[in-house]
Amino acid sequence: ETGVTQTPRHLVMGMTNKKSLKCEQHLGHNAMYWYKQSAKKPLELMFVYNFKEQTENNSVPSRFSPECPNSSHLFLHLHTLQPEDSALYLCASSQDRPAAQETQYFGPGTRLLVL
Amino acid sequence: QKEVEQNSGPLSVPEGAIASLNCTYSDRVSQSFFWYRQYSGKSPELIMSIYSNGDKEDGRFTAQLNKASQYVSLLIRDSQPSDSATYLCAVNGLGTGGFKTIFGAGTRLFVKA
Repeated sequence: ETGVTQTPRHLVMGMTNKKSLKCEQHLGHNAMYWYKQSAKKPLELMFVYNFKEQTENNSVPSRFSPECPNSSHLFLHLHTLQPEDSALYLCASSQDRPAAQETQYFGPGTRLLVL
Repeated sequence: QKEVEQNSGPLSVPEGAIASLNCTYSDRVSQSFFWYRQYSGKSPELIMSIYSNGDKEDGRFTAQLNKASQYVSLLIRDSQPSDSATYLCAVNGLGTGGFKTIFGAGTRLFVKA
């Protein structure tokens, strides 16, 4: 059973809605990540946080707004999304910041559908 | 653009056979390599990591790394229907902004009973 949890597991929202995705890790890790996974495409890294500080923003549109209040919790705030933003959003954590042999552990994901 | 390439499949093998999954990467300074398994509708789960050239075995799984040829492979011996999943190759390398993990799009494996 993964030590990374995500809620909600499924989300349907309109383009004018505002919603938030939540991720919590129980592994004592210091780094957390948001990824987007679209059908038949590689995982796309969105954001990286290390000790609550954002260390990576991979040119993500501003309609996605991350928040990391502490090393165990990570949020992704969504507003005015587009249908092409429909995807599986995965949270991951690792012991420390991205490094050569750092392994990431994934949560179950939130399946998002934007209508 | 650093890339990790995988054949999308599906790769179909009979139960009990060896499944061979391949991955090539473009960045020569890549340092560590991972194989994840992802069942349909589930999140990626780490199977193997490998950091140096050669083979690394763990149960029915063997990862093979050849840095000179820039490829990494995963062999699954005695394949079982429960091995049917998408296998993601991931590569860690040092870029201008620090280390990054680049994922391939995955190879779908189907093990026929």
